[in-house]
Amino acid sequence: EVQLVESGGGLVQPGRSMKLSCAASGFTFSSFPMAWVRQAPTKGLEWVATISTSGGSTYYRDSVKGRFTISRDNAKSTLYLQMNSLRSEDTATYYCTRGGYYSGPDYWGQGVMVTVSS
Amino acid sequence: DIQMTQSPSFLSASVGDRVTINCKASQNINKYLNWYQQKLGEAPKLLIYNTNNLQTGIPSRFSGSGSGTDYTLTISSLQPEDVATYFCLQHSSRPFTFGSGTKLEIK
Repeated sequence: EVQLVESGGGLVQPGRSMKLSCAASGFTFSSFPMAWVRQAPTKGLEWVATISTSGGSTYYRDSVKGRFTISRDNAKSTLYLQMNSLRSEDTATYYCTRGGYYSGPDYWGQGVMVTVSS
Repeated sequence: DIQMTQSPSFLSASVGDRVTINCKASQNINKYLNWYQQKLGEAPKLLIYNTNNLQTGIPSRFSGSGSGTDYTLTISSLQPEDVATYFCLQHSSRPFTFGSGTKLEIK
């Protein structure tokens, strides 16, 4: 069974950093591109970042370029999202998803909440 | 970015009803359209990929259709367990973009 379990969320002050992790199991992690998707409270879903199987290719939405970094450790079957210079508008539930490089994701984690507030 | 306009935002129907949810793209997305279901407190689940392909394990009462800019998710006979929010996703061009969601309840 495919499982994606996010961790690392919480409350953080504006301008600070936070790193999310996603532990994957139930499939060959290194064979699948991965992505992060977020949903702000009472708002719609937003694509954040995606990464190729090797990690050599990444894509970011404009609003997070230069602040967020998606990465992966295939040996640990773990996906990461390093978020720097956080803003209040980054407040959202962040979902780890399988797939999402050339096509939409097929599996999603339960999500982790990130709140950016002083 | 491609804008996805989803309708209706809220839908109330009876068990056994045929239900349709629509997504309209701001440009041709060449059938690169997925549908997802999200139940309260659960992770989103893929129902339909590339317009009309049923994901493994999804009941056959769910179907998808469309082309160009207009796409539809149909539930042929609504069941109580179908209470959820449904949303579409275009993956024709980056950034991939989502519809705003349809909250479906049982009347």
